[in-house]
Amino acid sequence: GGIITQTPKFLIGQEGQKLTLKCQQNFNHDTMYWYRQDSGKGLRLIYYSITENDLQKGDLSEGYDASREKKSSFSLTVTSAQKNEMAVFLCASSIHFEQYFGPGTRLTVL
Amino acid sequence: QQQVRQSPQSLTVWEGETAILNCSYENSAFDYFPWYQQFPGEGPALLIAIRSVSDKKEDGRFTIFFNKREKKLSLHITDSQPGDSATYFCAASSQGTGSKLSFGKGAKLTVSP
Repeated sequence: GGIITQTPKFLIGQEGQKLTLKCQQNFNHDTMYWYRQDSGKGLRLIYYSITENDLQKGDLSEGYDASREKKSSFSLTVTSAQKNEMAVFLCASSIHFEQYFGPGTRLTVL
Repeated sequence: QQQVRQSPQSLTVWEGETAILNCSYENSAFDYFPWYQQFPGEGPALLIAIRSVSDKKEDGRFTIFFNKREKKLSLHITDSQPGDSATYFCAASSQGTGSKLSFGKGAKLTVSP
């Protein structure tokens, strides 16, 4: 078994601020993902990485950067937080087609 | 363009009844269809999955029925329990997309005791 840890659990930012979310997995999975979850909109892929130092854009990459410096970690940066933005950011890792998710980081922008 | 669609958006059933959640898709190349279950405050968890070579997959009280010709599938939850109250996501992927999944918008199930 394994676990995905996301930090922080809650993140409150100011408009225009650069914010970084972190994800760690101990499954030893090659592929990792960042999704954004908004109420009523399902999960939308922001970035994914198939191996260390690889980055692939998803459908929602504008306004975000990502970094995969180690196999076990994948970070996401909101380059300029938008006022009144509220969403949950979910990290996942996968082997073959099965994706395993972390508990999420809940972002609120004031 | 939403590649995976779910209906209904929300469903309420009584304890002991069968809940049926529907899913349809656009891309004929999709060949792997997982369902995820998400409780409030948690990330989604893989519940059950089916490949397009099968028309049915069963795991305890959870069954997927798959119709390749109509590009539709459904998740049946028999003998529903209050603990099944959660949001359920249908997803799809194909060999061509690697392990990337396209998710539906989710269906909120409430099981009343």
